[in-house]
Amino acid sequence: NAGVTQTPKFQVLKTGQSMTLQCAQDMNHNSMYWYRQDPGMGLRLIYYSASEGTTDKGEVPNGYNVSRLNKREFSLRLESAAPSQTSVYFCASSARGPGELFFGEGSRLTVL
Amino acid sequence: AQSVSQHNHHVILSEAASLELGCNYSYGGTVNLFWYVQYPGQHLQLLLKYFSGDPLVKGIKGFEAEFIKSKFSFNLRKPSVQWSDTAEYFCAVRMDSSYKLIFGSGTRLLVRP
Repeated sequence: NAGVTQTPKFQVLKTGQSMTLQCAQDMNHNSMYWYRQDPGMGLRLIYYSASEGTTDKGEVPNGYNVSRLNKREFSLRLESAAPSQTSVYFCASSARGPGELFFGEGSRLTVL
Repeated sequence: AQSVSQHNHHVILSEAASLELGCNYSYGGTVNLFWYVQYPGQHLQLLLKYFSGDPLVKGIKGFEAEFIKSKFSFNLRKPSVQWSDTAEYFCAVRMDSSYKLIFGSGTRLLVRP
């Protein structure tokens, strides 16, 4: 049971570099989400996609872009990484709206 | 602004002690409420959820939570904790029909054997 798969699991970037975090789910869920987790701040929603073909901003979208490639895949792109984007990123999916979310294992990103 | 507060950031208990973790939210409309758990090195998993009906909900591993609408609270409880309950616990709230799930800042629980 793969569930939600994120790649890469670890990444170190230099300031100004770009990268894309990939997320795929095999549960035929309609909605997908990207969160970042920072110590003492819980999880904050970056972007979400309620259904294939739609994306919307969450609480902290600045510095990020997303693409809902198809129903399975939802990628998060950092065009010009900044040290403030050092975080653990979680992708999640849900069948109908943000009911029960199923999370990936997380991607730890360090920006130097 | 809509928010979710978890006032206990760190809790240390001995095995068999009772647990109560607080969660409050600031929103007067309809809410769906969740507790998620993150065991060390693992991803978040759903512990329990409340959508409607009986305000006392039971989840996995002996956890339960009570929705008190007048207090805007959804506290998590367990009568007797185990060492394996050591984890970080997150309260989350969905407000009205929003797709956004707002998380609290989390509570780290350490259970000493």
